[in-house]
Amino acid sequence: QLVLQESGPGLVKPSEALSLTCAVSGGSISTSTYHWGWIRQPPGKGLEWIGSFYYSGSNYYNPSLKSRVTIIGDTSKNQYSLRLSSVTAADTAVYYCARWGPAYAFWYWGRGTPVTVSS
Amino acid sequence: EIVLTQSPGTLSLSPGERATLSCRASQSISSSYLAWYQQRPGQAPRLLMFGASRRATTVPDRFSGSGSGTDFTLTISRLEPEDFAVYYCQQYGDSSLTVGGGTKVE
Repeated sequence: QLVLQESGPGLVKPSEALSLTCAVSGGSISTSTYHWGWIRQPPGKGLEWIGSFYYSGSNYYNPSLKSRVTIIGDTSKNQYSLRLSSVTAADTAVYYCARWGPAYAFWYWGRGTPVTVSS
Repeated sequence: EIVLTQSPGTLSLSPGERATLSCRASQSISSSYLAWYQQRPGQAPRLLMFGASRRATTVPDRFSGSGSGTDFTLTISRLEPEDFAVYYCQQYGDSSLTVGGGTKVE
């Protein structure tokens, strides 16, 4: 059974960078079949795709966040990470990692980790 | 960017009733790239439908999806207590994803 687990600081100061990690077990992030994504959900609001990572190194990001987002994979640890720079209160959200594929959908999700941006 | 508009924002129904949720895209999309998710309070989203009309693993057959082009529908034939949740549609295209604003079934 595939399990994804997010981890990282729950509190980040404005203007700093948010860094989260998604540890994957029960499957490899190196598989050519799937991509691996980050999605977030501000309090009381809907879902927003942040970006996705493919083991070959080709990533794609939400255009509205692209200038601040980096997603990288660590195949030795079977995990991938999100870095979002210059955060503001608008980046306060629950952050989910999820497996993309097959068939253009997120099939497996982590439980999510809440991140608050505040001084 | 393709915008997905879901309606209604809230659907007030009773157990046993039929729910019809709409997802409209700002431009035509392939039905292969349309998915639906269910999110219960305090939980991560769960994939319900992919390819617009194909049920994901373990999804009961009271859920069905249909549509093409710019108009897609998720139907719950008879609401069970566990179906009261928020539903999102999502599309993929040109290496980008967008998600609708959601419909709450209460």
